[in-house]
Amino acid sequence: KQEVTQIPAALSVPEGENLVLNCSFTDSAIYNLQWFRQDPGKGLTSLLLIQSSQREQTSGRLNASLDKSSGRSTLYIAASQPGDSATYLCAVTRSNDYKLSFGAGTTVTVRA
Amino acid sequence: NAGVTQTPKFRILKIGQSMTLQCAQDMNHNYMYWYRQDPGMGLKLIYYSVGAGITDKGEVPNGYNVSRSTTEDFPLRLELAAPSQTSVYFCASSYTTYLAKNIQYFGAGTRLSVL
Repeated sequence: KQEVTQIPAALSVPEGENLVLNCSFTDSAIYNLQWFRQDPGKGLTSLLLIQSSQREQTSGRLNASLDKSSGRSTLYIAASQPGDSATYLCAVTRSNDYKLSFGAGTTVTVRA
Repeated sequence: NAGVTQTPKFRILKIGQSMTLQCAQDMNHNYMYWYRQDPGMGLKLIYYSVGAGITDKGEVPNGYNVSRSTTEDFPLRLELAAPSQTSVYFCASSYTTYLAKNIQYFGAGTRLSVL
């Protein structure tokens, strides 16, 4: 069974600092990994999707890396802003099916 | 520009009552999913469907039922509500084939309390 862990559970940084969010998974036989953003009381928005053959994906200030062999992914958010305050979840799709296994998320607060 | 639409947004049920959570998508996606999210936890898959007329159990199906009579709609039924079903429920959809497992798009959620 795939277990996905995100540490820390919560993070508070001053505006302008770079954010580093970690995700680890136990089964390296994955098809892809996704990072989602969840705002309070809202649904999930997909930020980045990394295929298992890729090492990283970038979108604006966001960069996600993937190391399948060690079972880790890192989401970097450059020059954080108060609008980046949200919960960030990672989820992996296993190679042999299409179901997502989610981590519990990291709740980020960016202080102005 | 609707995407995945869930109704209602909030609901309070008494123990033993029944209700249906509605989910509709307008993206012509073949796969649809129901998840629940408990405080401080990741999302857990309840049921999913790979197309109209085909559904299957996920990780936590007990106490729930689903049907998929059309591509667009995927309702989730709670027959005898229990306090353990207090949670936030999310519906999602994706276009998925054997060769391409694409991004799941999520609704805004239904917050359910069973008292």
